[in-house]
Amino acid sequence: AQSVTQLDSHVSVSEGTPVLLRCNYSSSYSPSLFWYVQHPNKGLQLLLKYTSAATLVKGINGFEAEFKKSETSFHLTKPSAHMSDAAEYFCVVSGTRIQGAQKLVFGQGTRLTINP
Amino acid sequence: DAGVIQSPRHEVTEMGQEVTLRCKPISGHNSLFWYRQTMMRGLELLIYFNNNVPIDDSGMPEDRFSAKMPNASFSTLKIQPSEPRDSAVYFCASKMTGGNQPQHFGDGTRLSIL
Repeated sequence: AQSVTQLDSHVSVSEGTPVLLRCNYSSSYSPSLFWYVQHPNKGLQLLLKYTSAATLVKGINGFEAEFKKSETSFHLTKPSAHMSDAAEYFCVVSGTRIQGAQKLVFGQGTRLTINP
Repeated sequence: DAGVIQSPRHEVTEMGQEVTLRCKPISGHNSLFWYRQTMMRGLELLIYFNNNVPIDDSGMPEDRFSAKMPNASFSTLKIQPSEPRDSAVYFCASKMTGGNQPQHFGDGTRLSIL
């Protein structure tokens, strides 16, 4: 079975400093991995996805993530935090395909706070 | 492009009443998912459909919950009778076939049962 562990429930950084949100996954096969962001009172928005092409994936808003199979990690980074990055971030792995459909397995989320 | 459209955005009703949440997936997407999000339990998958057929409803909390997808462009989630513990934000998401295809989420329905 697939699973995801987000190592920090809350991360706080200063504006202009780097962001690192950590994620480890478990999968019995080559996974598809995603990062989603959720702003207050909004749905989840896709930031980026890994699908066994390049291991360094670039997403929207300056975010990127690196797939490391040896470490079973898919950490999300951004060189310089902006106030608008304050939100909840979810690391997600694709689940087992059943009858042609595949559900997602979500991490518990990391709340990112940006200090001025 | 129109994304996933959910209605209503907010619903406040008294316990015991029937509640119907609606979702219009993105055109061309053939999988649809209903989620519930609360502070205590986080994001929970309730049920999902593929080509309008329910695949897995093991996340539906109890018989008071039911979901239908009569056609490729519409789905409903119904709670009857509603209870205060059903208060949550309910999200609908849709995707195209393929494990590397992401799910696209609506903005959710915030449900409050008094």
